[in-house]
Amino acid sequence: EIVLTQSPGTLSLSPGERATLSCRASQSVSSSYLAWYQQKPGQAPRLLIYSTSGRATGIPDRFSGSGSGTDFTLIITRLEPEDFAVYYCHQYGSSPLTFGGGTKVEIK
Amino acid sequence: QLQLVESGGGVVQPGGSLRLSCAASGFSISKNGMHWVRQAPGKGPEWVSLIRYDGSRKDYAEFAEGRFTVSRDNSKNTVYLEMNNLKIEDTGVYYCTTAVCGGTNCFPHRGQGTLVTVSS
Repeated sequence: EIVLTQSPGTLSLSPGERATLSCRASQSVSSSYLAWYQQKPGQAPRLLIYSTSGRATGIPDRFSGSGSGTDFTLIITRLEPEDFAVYYCHQYGSSPLTFGGGTKVEIK
Repeated sequence: QLQLVESGGGVVQPGGSLRLSCAASGFSISKNGMHWVRQAPGKGPEWVSLIRYDGSRKDYAEFAEGRFTVSRDNSKNTVYLEMNNLKIEDTGVYYCTTAVCGGTNCFPHRGQGTLVTVSS
C-alpha cells in the first residue's frame, strides 16, 4: 500500500498569501496518477488537479501542481477567501487507492 | 459525457444490508478496474474495494472483508457493492471511481456518491 503523508497538517495564512502544500509517498507514484482535492465542510471533495499538474475544468490558474516520484506539491499562488479548506492528495494508480491525511488551510 | 451515478444508499439499522449500484454512461467500463471509496462524516476518504475489469480479481479493505461483496455486469455498464452486517461506523458517502487515460494523462472519474446511514 502506498502511504501518502501530507504536510503541514495545518497552514495558517492570510488572503493574498502563497500556500505550499506537500504530499510525500512511501513509494514512487506515477505522475499520471496523482491528484489533489479541495473539500469544504458539508461538501463533496472537489477535484483540483489530476495527473500531478493537470487542472480540472473550471479550476483557476492560481492552483498548480508539480512533482514526481515520491514528492508532490500543490501551490496556491494568492489565496482567495474561498480557498480556505482542507486539501487531500490522492494516488489512483495502484490498489488500494490511498489518500493523504489532509492539510487544512485556515485564515490567520 | 462520461458519467458515473451511484444509487442504493439509505438508512439501515446495524446488522442490516444494502446494495449499492454505480451506473456508467458515456463510456464503457468493460476495460476498466472499478473502485469503491467512502468518506465518513468529518473524516478523509478511504478506499473500500476494487473489481478488475473482467471481475477476475476483487480486493477489499480490511474493514470490508467478509461483509462487503463487489460485483459487476459489463453488459449493463454497472458495478455493485453488496454490504451486509452493516455497522454504525460504515456510515458515510460511498462513491465509485475509475481512471480514464489518454496519453500520459489519467483522469479520476467519480460519481456524486450515495449516502449510507447506519443507525438504530
